[in-house]
Amino acid sequence: NAGVMQNPRHLVRRRGQEARLRCSPMKGHSHVYWYRQLPEEGLKFMVYLQKENIIDESGMPKERFSAEFPKEGPSILRIQQVVRGDSAAYFCASSPRTGTDEQYFGPGTRLTVT
Amino acid sequence: SQQGEEDPQALSIQEGENATMNCSYKTSINNLQWYRQNSGRGLVHLILIRSNEREKHSGRLRVTLDTSKKSSSLLITASRAADTASYFCATNFGNEKLTFGTGTRLTIIP
Repeated sequence: NAGVMQNPRHLVRRRGQEARLRCSPMKGHSHVYWYRQLPEEGLKFMVYLQKENIIDESGMPKERFSAEFPKEGPSILRIQQVVRGDSAAYFCASSPRTGTDEQYFGPGTRLTVT
Repeated sequence: SQQGEEDPQALSIQEGENATMNCSYKTSINNLQWYRQNSGRGLVHLILIRSNEREKHSGRLRVTLDTSKKSSSLLITASRAADTASYFCATNFGNEKLTFGTGTRLTIIP
């Protein structure tokens, strides 16, 4: 059973470009979470999605950031018009069901904005 | 803030010694989880302890939870060089998302 997969692992974008980060949850998992980690800091929650639904986006910046988890395919975190402050590691996690289960993390996408 | 806080921020010990890290939080939780992160890598789940549990073991790891003090500790016994990493506690308040602390950076000196 493959773990959570994220791609790309490294992404370089110039200021003003768009960044698309993909996350494929573990097989059988229908809950996806996105977290952001700035250098030397812990992870900060961004958004929680189930298939075709955004459940909690309280950690998402109000502008430029969006996320989706379509019926088919991976979850996508999209950052429009990137700025240098968006440079961070973005981690996706998945879990099998609602409740208090552990979350399984992917290897992360390291975004660098030049 | 509900954020967990780890203590110490950094810890260096000799290989073979025990390492203890602490985590404090501010509000009632459903569970608390410990993760390890090697430099530049993703997170590896270590242990989940629920609010009605007081202690849990997994191999060389021992986690305690004191809900009255809103604190948890992670003990790594007989440390190895491969244990060098950052360790994070993450709390679940029942709303699905995890709230992470800032981490303890552990260095094992061979």
